[in-house]
This record gives sequence, C-alpha cells and structure tokens, in this order.
Amino acid sequence: KQEVTQIPAALSVPEGENLVLNCSFTDSAIYNLQWFRQDPGKGLTSLLLIQSSQREQTSGRLNASLDKSSGRSTLYIAASQPGDSATYLCAVRPGNQAGTALIFGKGTTLSVSS
Amino acid sequence: KAGVTQTPRYLIKTRGQQVTLSCSPISGHRSVSWYQQTPGQGLQFLFEYFSETQRNKGNFPGRFSGRQFSNSRSEMNVSTLELGDSALYLCASRDLRANTEAFFGQGTRLTVV
Repeated sequence: KQEVTQIPAALSVPEGENLVLNCSFTDSAIYNLQWFRQDPGKGLTSLLLIQSSQREQTSGRLNASLDKSSGRSTLYIAASQPGDSATYLCAVRPGNQAGTALIFGKGTTLSVSS
Repeated sequence: KAGVTQTPRYLIKTRGQQVTLSCSPISGHRSVSWYQQTPGQGLQFLFEYFSETQRNKGNFPGRFSGRQFSNSRSEMNVSTLELGDSALYLCASRDLRANTEAFFGQGTRLTVV
C-alpha cells in the first residue's frame, strides 16, 4: 500500500532563504508526482507535475526533483518571500496508468517572516 | 479558461440530513475526482468519474455517492449526515488525453451540527 510522508510538518524561515521541502513514498511504482500549495481554508493550487520518466521540473523560483528508486521528491524554493507562506502538499499517482487516485502526504506548513 | 468551480462554498447541515455538492470541471476535462480533507486524516480519495461512469472508488461508506452528467459536471451526495462528515470537500478535474495534471476547485466547507 502506497504511503506518502512529508517531513518536517512545519517550517519557519526568514525572508530570502532558500529552502527544501521533502516528500517520500513507499512504492517506487508511480505514474506521476504532483506538488500543490494550499492557503488556509482554500483549495489546492498545482505547482509542479513530474512524470515518472522525468527527474525534475522547474517553474520560476520552484524546482521539484524526483528519484523513484529511493522513493523521494524534493521541492526547492529559492529566495523565499512572505507570500510563499502556505501548506505544501505532495501527492503521488501510483501504478503505471493514469486511472489511479492521488495519494497525499499530510503536508509541510511553511511560514516565511519578513 | 475558467478553473474548477465548486458550489456552494459553505454549508451547515444537521445530523441525519442529506447534502448535495456540485463541481464544474475545466472546459474539456472529462475526469472529475472528489476528495475529503480533514485535520486528522488529511486528503482522502472518495471517487472518480469519467464520461458519466464511476471508474474508481475510495474506502468510504455507501452514504457517499456521486454522479456525472453528460456535460462533465459532477455532483456528490452524502446521506444521513454524521458529525464526522464535517470536512472540506475538494473536487479535481483533469484531461486524461494530456499530462493528467489535476486541478482543484476551492472546495465546499461542510459543517454538520
């Protein structure tokens, strides 16, 4: 059974720091992995999608990597800003086809102080 | 292009009642999934519909049901509400012909009293 873990559960950093959020999963057989951002009481905003054949994806100040063999993904945020404060969720789509459901970690709540 | 739209945004219901939530996917997306989010359990998958057919179902009791219409809009119904059904219900749509990236709506906050 696929399980997704995100450590740490919470992180506080000063503005301008580069930081890394971690995501680990127990079964390397995944179709893709997606990183989301969630603001309090709101829905999920998709940040990056990494297909199983890819090693990384970049969007602006965000870079996500995927190492299927070790069951790990990282989300790198460069030059953090107070507006980056939110909960970041990692989700994997298990198996080798697109028809499976996303399995989510519990998230990392990031607080960036000015 | 409009995003995923969920209505209503907030609902307060009494134990034993039933409720219907609605989700309109991104234009052209035929897959709609529903998730429940609670502080204790996090995000859990309820079910997925594609072309009006349920193609995948999570581990929830039969009180939770859904359907999808020919225009891909989806509804989720919860009957005989329990206090533990209080949660944020999120809907996601995706285009299975493309990269299958999931896009979520703002959610419906259901409170059962």
